[in-house]
Amino acid sequence: GAGVSQSPSNKVTEKGKDVELRCDPISGHTALYWYRQSLGQGLEFLIYFQGNSAPDKSGLPSDRFSAERTGGSVSTLTIQRTQQEDSAVYLCASSLAYGYTFGSGTRLTVV
Amino acid sequence: QQQVKQSPQSLIVQKGGISIINCAYENTAFDYFPWYQQFPGKGPALLIAIRPDVSEKKEGRFTISFNKSAKQFSLHIMDSQPGDSATYFCAASPEHTGTASKLTFGTGTRLQVTL
Repeated sequence: GAGVSQSPSNKVTEKGKDVELRCDPISGHTALYWYRQSLGQGLEFLIYFQGNSAPDKSGLPSDRFSAERTGGSVSTLTIQRTQQEDSAVYLCASSLAYGYTFGSGTRLTVV
Repeated sequence: QQQVKQSPQSLIVQKGGISIINCAYENTAFDYFPWYQQFPGKGPALLIAIRPDVSEKKEGRFTISFNKSAKQFSLHIMDSQPGDSATYFCAASPEHTGTASKLTFGTGTRLQVTL
């Protein structure tokens, strides 16, 4: 597609439930990134996929968070047993070389 | 050493004025310095970027100034307009050889341009 597509745009879930967030990157972009942005805060790095290399998971805040990227394209970020502190906007970005293109994010609210 | 420090946290500028946002870094391996603009409800969008082989880059009303020895770079918005009201993030990434590198972002500056 023309841009990075994220779904759903909004997700409200109950504490303790699992959620899956989807990212469809720009076709041909080899790198895919997930960031988290809490209300009024900066961008917190979560995980980074580059081609067929092992992902850089150094930003994942706990083992409740995981992500996969299938076929070098679509990525899914999974949060298990959600907690209220997981409420944030989850941003996905893709790139080929320099510069990211971000999606509009998924706003996750845990109630 | 991976941090990028950004200031100010918020900024109010009158229409027609100059907005200046500053960033500083420690990692000398950083060699790509972009600025992103984010409007409410949207993801950040690349605004302008610079490599350390030049000291200044200008695109329209937006200019990046880069001081390699001081490890600082700044964004100047000339003739600021209400439509420029947004959050601005500086970022940096290390040298790479044609493949993407992870960006380290500053904490953001919320700019408000008043009439």
